[in-house]
Amino acid sequence: AQSVTQPDIHITVSEGASLELRCNYSYGATPYLFWYVQSPGQGLQLLLKYFSGDTLVQGIKGFEAEFKRSQSSFNLRKPSVHWSDAAEYFCAVSSGTASKLTFGTGTRLQVTL
Amino acid sequence: GAGVSQSPSNKVTEKGKDVELRCDPISGHTALYWYRQSLGQGLEFLIYFQGNSAPDKSGLPSDRFSAERTGGSVSTLTIQRTQQEDSAVYLCATENGETQYFGPGTRLLVL
Repeated sequence: AQSVTQPDIHITVSEGASLELRCNYSYGATPYLFWYVQSPGQGLQLLLKYFSGDTLVQGIKGFEAEFKRSQSSFNLRKPSVHWSDAAEYFCAVSSGTASKLTFGTGTRLQVTL
Repeated sequence: GAGVSQSPSNKVTEKGKDVELRCDPISGHTALYWYRQSLGQGLEFLIYFQGNSAPDKSGLPSDRFSAERTGGSVSTLTIQRTQQEDSAVYLCATENGETQYFGPGTRLLVL
């Protein structure tokens, strides 16, 4: 069965600082990997996805993530965080198209000014 | 519309009552998913539709939960005899073949 671990429940960073959110997955084959963001009271918005090819993927709002098969990781990064990035971030894995997403427990990001 | 819409946005009900939650998908998206988000369980898959068929119902927590989809479009999630543990945000997502796009959710509170 597929699973996702987000080891950090809550992270606080200063505005302008860099950010890395960790995600580890468990899946037997090549996974489809996603990062979603959820602002308070909102639905989930896709930040970026990895299916195959280049292991460094670029997303919206200046986010990027790197797929590392050897470490079973798909960490999300941003070089300079803005106050508006404060939200909850979810990593997810699926086995392909037309397949359910399995989510991690989420990481809540707080940004201090 | 441009995105996935869900109604109602909020629902308060009494324990034992039935509720219906609605999802209007993005036009042309044949795949539709229901998920549940609760404090104790995080984001959980409930059911998946391809067209009007549900090939994966493995996430439905009990036989009080059912869902249908008509015309390959609108889907309804029904919870019968609601319990307090059913309180959660119910999210619908539709897929264009690669990516699932989520609606804003229905927040259900069972008193």
